[in-house]
Amino acid sequence: SQQGEEDPQALSIQEGENATMNCSYKTSINNLQWYRQNSGRGLVHLILIRSNEREKHSGRLRVTLDTSKKSSSLLITASRAADTASYFCATDAGAAGNKLTFGGGTRVLVKP
Amino acid sequence: DAGITQSPRHKVTETGTPVTLRCHQTENHRYMYWYRQDPGHGLRLIHYSYGVKDTDKGEVSDGYSVSRSKTEDFLLTLESATSSQTSVYFCAADGGDRGGGYTFGSGTRLTVV
Repeated sequence: SQQGEEDPQALSIQEGENATMNCSYKTSINNLQWYRQNSGRGLVHLILIRSNEREKHSGRLRVTLDTSKKSSSLLITASRAADTASYFCATDAGAAGNKLTFGGGTRVLVKP
Repeated sequence: DAGITQSPRHKVTETGTPVTLRCHQTENHRYMYWYRQDPGHGLRLIHYSYGVKDTDKGEVSDGYSVSRSKTEDFLLTLESATSSQTSVYFCAADGGDRGGGYTFGSGTRLTVV
């Protein structure tokens, strides 16, 4: 079962526009992470937000977390063609083994 | 994907044969994981390891076994491959500080015919 459900499943935007994707989850968490996956490659960690944080920035990335709604959003500002990828949220429920549960992902296409 | 190497990158095997996928890390991370990625299902955890010879099951462990005889190596074995195990398999490692996220390998695309 997937802890995180992402919305939308796919997103197409023009270069320079912002891309926003959302993640909802079901149980309480220790932290929530976002990953990027380029076609045919492994996932790359982008950013981690802890349960006691509400917003975090890293370069052109902005992540928000609302634990009362069990949801998070990832905003990519001023998108570039190189941002074309699938983006996954993953939740750490604090269980033994540091296990992450991944959502189904959002496919983002940035058109030049 | 620096630090995690998976082999082979691609494999085609026949139903009923055993298959072993290899994951090697150079980061000295304590935790290692095997996930499978299928359309419509995202990534699902198969097995994970929290130290040498210490392993546990994930959510889709049936038909799979793992071994970790050294910190750097984590093997995934399909005892008797089935067509439902056709998938892309990813290995990941984590240092355990709950701060830096996972490091993933590039994946193994396995086709069971």
